[in-house]
Amino acid sequence: DTAVSQTPKYLVTQMGNDKSIKCEQNLGHDTMYWYKQDSKKFLKIMFSYNNKELIINETVPNRFSPKSPDKAHLNLHINSLELGDSAVYFCASSHPSSYNEQFFGPGTRLTVL
Amino acid sequence: QQQVKQSPQSLIVQKGGISIINCAYENTAFDYFPWYQQFPGKGPALLIAIRPDVSEKKEGRFTISFNKSAKQFSLHIMDSQPGDSATYFCAAVSDGGGADGLTFGKGTHLIIQP
Repeated sequence: DTAVSQTPKYLVTQMGNDKSIKCEQNLGHDTMYWYKQDSKKFLKIMFSYNNKELIINETVPNRFSPKSPDKAHLNLHINSLELGDSAVYFCASSHPSSYNEQFFGPGTRLTVL
Repeated sequence: QQQVKQSPQSLIVQKGGISIINCAYENTAFDYFPWYQQFPGKGPALLIAIRPDVSEKKEGRFTISFNKSAKQFSLHIMDSQPGDSATYFCAAVSDGGGADGLTFGKGTHLIIQP
């Protein structure tokens, strides 16, 4: 059983397109996150959602928007894709009582041409 | 501003040796310090974590040493094995009850030579 899953695993698209990445967790966690890992492998928080409420929004362009249809899902929508958006995007989840013990998905490698 | 500094960037250790990775943090509000292991093409996986009320935590071959006054913590991998070859990330978060994201170090690429 996959705890945190993401689709697709690979996404190749042209500049200017709009795309979405889906994330689902079956751990019963309250909080979900999106992280970006750049070409140098640096991981940085983008968003977190707690009980359908956006808690953190770091300095991320407003072309990126998280959408949570329910507690088990947090999808990432990206509009007007740019070359610099190429990266690996990871979804994660945690339960607040577990000291922010976060479980990561397998990642989605986004390539913008 | 990089709030968690990690070193070295890369590390080569012989099989059976001890691998040591160091991290330093700046934000005194951080109170949970996990280490993640990442293999190529995979997501980061939680390896071991520590809170500042203890100075050391050991799980199998993995040990975290924590120095609160110096705002430093380190990961020691004893009897390093080729299967330990991966990228290791230290991280920190303020466990204030909110949904804080992890602040990561820049990672250490560890290679264990047979």
